[in-house]
Amino acid sequence: DAKTTQPPSMDCAEGRAANLPCNHSTISGNEYVYWYRQIHSQGPQYIIHGLKNNETNEMASLIITEDRKSSTLILPHATLRDTAVYYCIVRSNAGGTSYGKLTFGQGTILTVHP
Amino acid sequence: GAGVSQSPRYKVAKRGQDVALRCDPISGHVSLFWYQQALGQGPEFLTYFQNEAQLDKSGLPSDRFFAERPEGSVSTLKIQRTQQEDSAVYLCASSVGSATEFYEQYFGPGTRLTVT
Repeated sequence: DAKTTQPPSMDCAEGRAANLPCNHSTISGNEYVYWYRQIHSQGPQYIIHGLKNNETNEMASLIITEDRKSSTLILPHATLRDTAVYYCIVRSNAGGTSYGKLTFGQGTILTVHP
Repeated sequence: GAGVSQSPRYKVAKRGQDVALRCDPISGHVSLFWYQQALGQGPEFLTYFQNEAQLDKSGLPSDRFFAERPEGSVSTLKIQRTQQEDSAVYLCASSVGSATEFYEQYFGPGTRLTVT
């Protein structure tokens, strides 16, 4: 799976949009971009995933650049409960022996301030 | 509905003791994963089960680590002769389908193991 690079930490004011970047310059054509987050003392939680089109769900939006070398997770109206570590993960859905395991990096610690 | 549960939530073991960590996945989930998370790090993959079959154990750090899922539901991660470097949070995740396609992984709260 391709390696990802994320900033170690970011701050955001409550009610504002949080934009979390991720670089994945070695991503290959069959690899998806996934985002998970981990709130303190909890297990990771799936947020969203995409291949090349932008995606939106009830939690967030995912913007993937045309060359797919980077992406941005957008939390449109951040709340205090969005304070967490956010992980950007690249993996293939093409089967093989990866068996869907997730390779987490260090992630970005997002702190939402009142 | 019930999510993934793990027990115990906290475990303190003396160096050299054996420990057993339990995972109850979401009912009917085919895939089950174990991850290890050291302090300040992201989770790292340990092993994967599809039903009762252990298809990938490439992440187990040593032969002191053993996992089983005999009936394709509950799983146990056993660590023999614990060492201080085994101190970590052990996370279990399950997903509804086989891992060759995308299915969201649902994580439990983890078991924090401290080896003294």
